[in-house]
Amino acid sequence: AQRVTQPEKLLSVFKGAPVELKCNYSYSGSPELFWYVQYSRQRLQLLLRHISRESIKGFTADLNKGETSFHLKKPFAQEEDSAMYYCALSAALNNAGNMLTFGGGTRLMVKP
Amino acid sequence: DTGVSQDPRHKITKRGQNVTFRCDPISEHNRLYWYRQTLGQGPEFLTYFQNEAQLEKSRLLSDRFSAERPKGSFSTLEIQRTEQGDSAMYLCASSSGGNKKYFGPGTRLTVT
Repeated sequence: AQRVTQPEKLLSVFKGAPVELKCNYSYSGSPELFWYVQYSRQRLQLLLRHISRESIKGFTADLNKGETSFHLKKPFAQEEDSAMYYCALSAALNNAGNMLTFGGGTRLMVKP
Repeated sequence: DTGVSQDPRHKITKRGQNVTFRCDPISEHNRLYWYRQTLGQGPEFLTYFQNEAQLEKSRLLSDRFSAERPKGSFSTLEIQRTEQGDSAMYLCASSSGGNKKYFGPGTRLTVT
């Protein structure tokens, strides 16, 4: 069975400070990992996925299979980054679907 | 297209009552998912539809829960004989294949 762990429930940093939101996973297959973000009063939305190897809003995440981690990083936090962040792993379902297994989430607060 | 919509956004019901939620996916999306999110947790997978066929159900989905997608467009999730433990946010997501899912705003259920 797959599992995603986000060890920090809350991360508080000052504006301009570096940010790292931790995510560890366990999965017997080849993982596909995502970060989702939920801003206040908004719906859950995809931030980035590891296969895209892209930087979105200054955030990056690298899949480390050896450490089974997919930490989210940003060199300089902005106040508008304050939100709830969820790490998620995609596992194939029968019949071509796929389900997301989410971590418990980390609330990022960026103070002015 | 305004994305995935869910109705109602909030529902308060008394224990033992039945409730039904509706999800309207993005129009061209053939895959539809239901997730449940309790306070302080990440979303948990409940069930998956491809077109009108319900192809996967989580063990979280007890006999009191039933979901349908009769014409392959909108979906309903019904909970019979609600219990206080059913209080949660119920999220719907849709996709057109691949792993990018679009989430709705959710229906918050409170069972008193």
